[in-house]
Amino acid sequence: AQSVAQPEDQVNVAEGNPLTVKCTYSVSGNPYLFWYVQYPNRGLQFLLKYITGDNLVKGSYGFEAEFNKSQTSFHLKKPSALVSDSALYFCAVRSHQAGTALIFGKGTTLSVSS
Amino acid sequence: KAGVTQTPRYLIKTRGQQVTLSCSPISGHRSVSWYQQTPGQGLQFLFEYFSETQRNKGNFPGRFSGRQFSNSRSEMNVSTLELGDSALYLCASSLDLGTANTEAFFGQGTRLTVV
Repeated sequence: AQSVAQPEDQVNVAEGNPLTVKCTYSVSGNPYLFWYVQYPNRGLQFLLKYITGDNLVKGSYGFEAEFNKSQTSFHLKKPSALVSDSALYFCAVRSHQAGTALIFGKGTTLSVSS
Repeated sequence: KAGVTQTPRYLIKTRGQQVTLSCSPISGHRSVSWYQQTPGQGLQFLFEYFSETQRNKGNFPGRFSGRQFSNSRSEMNVSTLELGDSALYLCASSLDLGTANTEAFFGQGTRLTVV
């Protein structure tokens, strides 16, 4: 069965510091991995995806993510956090074998303090 | 380019009633999928439509149904509403989710409250 784990319910960082939001996955076949962000009372906004190739993927708003096949992880990172980055972040996975449904993690609330 | 549009944004219904939610995908996108978001269960896949055909279905009871029209617009229907159906219902569109590596773009959702 396909699954995504986001081990931290909340991550707190100070503005200007680097941030990491963790994600691990379990899927049959080659994984396609995605990060989305959700602001209060809004839908999900696509940040970035990993399909194949370079393990470091760059996305919107200065975010990047590192794919690690051996550790089945896809952690979201940003070198310098902004207060406006405070939101709910979701990791999701899909594979050809699993079909077209996105399997989401439970989400991690990122809180950036000034 | 307009994004995914969901209507209505908010809805209050009584137990036992039925409800229809609407989704207009991004122009040119042929695949539409629906998700339910609740605090307890998180984001759960309901179903996906492509070219007016349901291509994939999640683990939800038959009270949840959907359809897609020739212009790719989609509706989902929930019959005999239960209190547990209260949730944010999100629609996502994509050029074609069949390739699995295509990102989905989400609407702002419809907040359904069942009382």
